[in-house]
Amino acid sequence: DVKVTQSSRYLVKRTGEKVFLECVQDMDHENMFWYRQDPGLGLRLIYFSYDVKMKEKGDIPEGYSVSREKKERFSLILESASTNQTSMYLCASSLRSYNEQFFGPGTRLTVL
Amino acid sequence: EDQVTQSPEALRLQEGESSSLNCSYTVSGLRGLFWYRQDPGKGPEFLFTLYSAGEEKEKERLKATLTKKESFLHITAPKPEDSATYLCAVPMDTGRRALTFGSGTRLQVQP
Repeated sequence: DVKVTQSSRYLVKRTGEKVFLECVQDMDHENMFWYRQDPGLGLRLIYFSYDVKMKEKGDIPEGYSVSREKKERFSLILESASTNQTSMYLCASSLRSYNEQFFGPGTRLTVL
Repeated sequence: EDQVTQSPEALRLQEGESSSLNCSYTVSGLRGLFWYRQDPGKGPEFLFTLYSAGEEKEKERLKATLTKKESFLHITAPKPEDSATYLCAVPMDTGRRALTFGSGTRLQVQP
């Protein structure tokens, strides 16, 4: 079974802090993704990566950056957290482009 | 504009009452349509992939079907444990490798 793990289930941070969310997949998948999910807005793509050190912006990249130094690990960075970044963050991976994505359990981030 | 639309937004069924959820899309060259189940506070769980019109996939009480412009998720004799939000997703025409998700159907099955 594919397993996607995320570093924290719940996280509380203060405005202006730098926040790191980490995601690890154990199935040698090429592609990894970061989404945020908010009530009434659905799943929105922040960034994705189709190879090590490669990244592409999604629909809402502002205020975020990403890092993929190893194939199995994809990090989402909030450079200076703001209250409007309070959300559920979901990581996913897929073997290749246009394949089904497998999701992690999510990180519920609260920015105070 | 490429779109994925799910209906209804919410559906309440009695245990054993079969029904269908709809996912319509506007991409011209479909590269797959994906169904997911999401429980509250958890990540989406992959259910099915459909690639061509006429294709069907089944898992327990769920059956997914695909036409040229829409997909249906049929739920036969549902149980309370089938209560969840069901999401569909497709890759968009833009060639972007990521999926675009519909807003989901929130299903509640009452005993």
